[in-house]
Amino acid sequence: AQKITQTQPGMFVQEKEAVTLDCTYDTSDPSYGLFWYKQPSSGEMIFLIYQGSYDQQNATEGRYSLNFQKARKSANLVISASQLGDSAMYFCAIITGGYQKVTFGTGTKLQVIP
Amino acid sequence: GAVVSQHPSWVICKSGTSVKIECRSLDFQATTMFWYRQFPKQSLMLMATSNEGSKATYEQGVEKDKFLINHASLTLSTLTVTSAHPEDSSFYICSARETGTDTQYFGPGTRLTVL
Repeated sequence: AQKITQTQPGMFVQEKEAVTLDCTYDTSDPSYGLFWYKQPSSGEMIFLIYQGSYDQQNATEGRYSLNFQKARKSANLVISASQLGDSAMYFCAIITGGYQKVTFGTGTKLQVIP
Repeated sequence: GAVVSQHPSWVICKSGTSVKIECRSLDFQATTMFWYRQFPKQSLMLMATSNEGSKATYEQGVEKDKFLINHASLTLSTLTVTSAHPEDSSFYICSARETGTDTQYFGPGTRLTVL
């Protein structure tokens, strides 16, 4: 079985500053993928970034980067230059089992302060 | 980018009735689609994995006779909540995995309220 742990229920960050959202995972599957999704108050899930377990380099997508430390089983999301529109719930997720099953963490609520 | 739609976005129904929710991948083919349920302020819980042309795989504790899933084509999966009860009220979200990739794209969700 796989598990995702997000230990920060809520975070505050000043606008234009960077913030790191923590995520640790546990799986016995040697091949897996890690995702981060954003869920605004409207409810839709927005894909942010993906990291495969065999990828050598950390994934980056615009202001989002994934700090992947395989030995520590962590996949923290770094958001640079926070914007007010970044205020949302952020979910970390792992996909395993031949890429068939996705397990989500409990989420971190990020609030960006002007 | 890949777009997934869900219909309806919001539904209210009487207890005992059935409700069908559609999930469509609009600009890509999805061999596999997933159905999730999310209670307020909680994470998404996977209900079932739907593969085109075959029976869905349900997670432990999810009643397959209550939550009927049909994945008849590479762009459409449906979830039917049969004999809905107030405890079935929730936010139902589908996702679709583009054939040949790892990334799942989510629909906007369907808010179900059972009176």
